Amino acid sequence: DAKTTQPNSMESNEEEPVHLPCNHSTISGTDYIHWYRQLPSQGPEYVIHGLTSNVNNRMASLAIAEDRKSSTLILHRATLRDAAVYYCILRPRFHSSYKLIFGSGTRLLVRP
Amino acid sequence: EAQVTQNPRYLITVTGKKLTVTCSQNMNHEYMSWYRQDPGLGLRQIYYSMNVEVTDKGDVPEGYKVSRKEKRNFPLILESPSPNQTSLYFCASSPGTSGRSSYNEQFFGPGTRLTVL
Repeated sequence: DAKTTQPNSMESNEEEPVHLPCNHSTISGTDYIHWYRQLPSQGPEYVIHGLTSNVNNRMASLAIAEDRKSSTLILHRATLRDAAVYYCILRPRFHSSYKLIFGSGTRLLVRP
Repeated sequence: EAQVTQNPRYLITVTGKKLTVTCSQNMNHEYMSWYRQDPGLGLRQIYYSMNVEVTDKGDVPEGYKVSRKEKRNFPLILESPSPNQTSLYFCASSPGTSGRSSYNEQFFGPGTRLTVL
């Protein structure tokens, strides 16, 4: 399984944009890039995913490098509720077990 | 409300006393899975089920059993719990497996914190 590398922690001020980076230099052409987050004392929740093009949804934006070896999750205006551990996960296009391989993620601290 | 529920949320038990953690989803999802989360080890998959009566081992299945008799339920059974099974457990579900498309988002339950003394 391809591996991802994320910073251990990041800090942001409330209402400012946050850019969470992820390196995945061994990504294969059929791997999707997924982001999940885990709020304190909760289960992980899906944030966004993409393959090649940048993606936007109500929660965040995903910017994918042209060579696909890195990606950035963008929270446009961080709120206190966005304080969580963010996981960048690669998932093969066709995977028999559907499992998500969670790394250690990035712990985001949002300052009021 | 669409959700994955787990019971109990907290459980303290003793070594060897059989227990079951229930998981139920109301979204008619085909795929269900169990993970455990441990400090420094992240989340690891225990078992998964692609549909009713279809289950398979994940990465850390030893000491666990599962069953999938109905689409909505996927209980995790510890026949003889041991202290090394003290962990935070999450159940997850996902819409479907047709085409085995990888982009289906997974929905997680709130977690069950298990302590085995």
